[in-house]
Amino acid sequence: SQTIHQWPATLVQPVGSPLSLECTVEGTSNPNLYWYRQAAGRGLQLLFYSVGIGQISSEVPQNLSASRPQDRQFILSSKKLLLSDSGFYLCAWGGNSPLHFGNGTRLTVT
Amino acid sequence: AQSVTQLGSHVSVSEGALVLLRCNYSSSVPPYLFWYVQYPNQGLQLLLKYTSAATLVKGINGFEAEFKKSETSFHLTKPSAHMSDAAEYFCAVSDGRGSTLGRLYFGRGTQLTVWP
Repeated sequence: SQTIHQWPATLVQPVGSPLSLECTVEGTSNPNLYWYRQAAGRGLQLLFYSVGIGQISSEVPQNLSASRPQDRQFILSSKKLLLSDSGFYLCAWGGNSPLHFGNGTRLTVT
Repeated sequence: AQSVTQLGSHVSVSEGALVLLRCNYSSSVPPYLFWYVQYPNQGLQLLLKYTSAATLVKGINGFEAEFKKSETSFHLTKPSAHMSDAAEYFCAVSDGRGSTLGRLYFGRGTQLTVWP
């Protein structure tokens, strides 16, 4: 069966520090991969999605970037965090089936 | 472009009462529609999906939703609420075609509270 792993579960980082969140999927090949951000009262915002290695589409211009170095690995990064980057970040995979989500990372930028 | 509007950010019902969570969508193509549930500090779990088959879709935990093209709606219902149903619910629309899911666009969510 397919599983998705996302870490860390919680993270507190100072403003201006770098960020790296990692997501890996097991049990499937060539999945579509997604990063969403959930801010209070704003639902889920699609940040990036990828249909293959090295292929990244950005939905919202911002302080973040994404990379897909391997088929089942998706990384969300920032060189310098802003206060507004705080939120709950969710990784998901899909393809010809509904999205399956990881358990999320709660990021607090202080 | 695809978008979803969930009417009511908070809904409160008594245990045993009908649950109705509203969702209206906008799509430039025949939509794929989904309902997800989220418990605190967890990811989202799929409740049910509509992918152009039967308009009345049954999901897990006794939930169901009806696709109404004329009303561009996909409301979620459950005949009798249970305390364990308290969570946040998200409606979503996909721009996928054929066997490809595509991108999923979510509403802002509805927080369901169930009173004993």
